[in-house]
Amino acid sequence: GEDVEQSLFLSVREGDSSVINCTYTDSSSTYLYWYKQEPGAGLQLLTYIFSNMDMKQDQRLTVLLNKKDKHLSLRIADTQTGDSAIYFCAEFMDSNYQLIWGAGTKLIIKP
Amino acid sequence: DSGVTQTPKHLITATGQRVTLRCSPRSGDLSVYWYQQSLDQGLQFLIQYYNGEERAKGNILERFSAQQFPDLHSELNLSSLELGDSALYFCASSATDRHNSPLHFGNGTRLTVT
Repeated sequence: GEDVEQSLFLSVREGDSSVINCTYTDSSSTYLYWYKQEPGAGLQLLTYIFSNMDMKQDQRLTVLLNKKDKHLSLRIADTQTGDSAIYFCAEFMDSNYQLIWGAGTKLIIKP
Repeated sequence: DSGVTQTPKHLITATGQRVTLRCSPRSGDLSVYWYQQSLDQGLQFLIQYYNGEERAKGNILERFSAQQFPDLHSELNLSSLELGDSALYFCASSATDRHNSPLHFGNGTRLTVT
């Protein structure tokens, strides 16, 4: 069935790169999204990638898409304490016009 | 600031009661989505309205209902509340009726049912 999977936690040292991974199941997905949720706040769109792209870079963020393996990753370079949040992966399925969400990965920054 | 306003921020009520959550979408956005976020269920899509009409339904209980008014604000009504309805309820808006438009989320209403 439709499913988006993410690890629940990721711990990295301040200044290192963080790589948050996501796997999805529907090959008809056209858009894949990364949202960020800071404590006490709503979700904020970080970036998205269209399915005909392999990579998208935006300042410290790099999104990689491997369509063959249905794997999406978000790399945050030079991770800062302000990056502490829950990161959600979501796929838009053209087959039924639904947005399917992962459970979210909590990014923990160690000093 | 996403431009999406939700009120109230917090709501505490008893089982069996009814509450109304309100959402004002970002200026110019015609679609409003309601989501429920709880620890055990994650982020669950409830319902979408586009320009006043229901467009898509997710895992919304029959005890819950929503509407979108001519001024595009939306209300989510939760009735016969149960302890398990305690959660964060988010409203999001987008420019189009397609779920592939980027969503802009409000800060949520935290509902506690005692």
